[in-house]
Amino acid sequence: NAGVTQTPKFRVLKTGQSMTLLCAQDMNHEYMYWYRQDPGMGLRLIHYSVGEGTTAKGEVPDGYNVSRLKKQNFLLGLESAAPSQTSVYFCASSHDRKANQPQHFGDGTRLSIL
Amino acid sequence: GENVEQHPSTLSVQEGDSAVIKCTYSDSASNYFPWYKQELGKGPQLIIDIRSNVGEKKDQRIAVTLNKTAKHFSLHITETQPEDSAVYFCAASAFSGGYNKLIFGAGTRLAVHP
Repeated sequence: NAGVTQTPKFRVLKTGQSMTLLCAQDMNHEYMYWYRQDPGMGLRLIHYSVGEGTTAKGEVPDGYNVSRLKKQNFLLGLESAAPSQTSVYFCASSHDRKANQPQHFGDGTRLSIL
Repeated sequence: GENVEQHPSTLSVQEGDSAVIKCTYSDSASNYFPWYKQELGKGPQLIIDIRSNVGEKKDQRIAVTLNKTAKHFSLHITETQPEDSAVYFCAASAFSGGYNKLIFGAGTRLAVHP
């Protein structure tokens, strides 16, 4: 059971380039989330999805887009990368049919924008 | 807006000593409080959680206490071991907008010295 898998693990981009971060979960979870982690700031929610075909904005959505075409996959896109988007990105998933379900995290994608 | 304050930001203890990390939350609707451990290069891993109808929960060397009146919750690790060295995050969750909105503290870097 792999849990939450993120690809790639590392990436370096130039300002203005685009890329897509991939997240896959094999736990049949309904809810999926994208966070960014910056030093001294904990984790901040970028976008989330409550089910296949649905997405919603989180705390820091600007500059990012997401898609949830399949229940097990959640994609995070950067259309025009900026140095401020240098961060570690984490995907998470949870059962959220009812409240108080823990979120399970992947091991992150470390992204540097030059 | 909602926030979670976590203290201390760094903590250094000798092997065998106890470690305590404290968090304060602002959203009175929060009713679920997970704690995550993050090792270098890995994603956050859930180590223990507590719900608002419980004041204390233990799991071997780890315990969490919750004071809803004061909006405080704490993580206690007894008989610390070098493998407990990691960054620990507290979080407070309120079911809002159809999902568990998790607000994270900024993290505590725990170092356990042999």
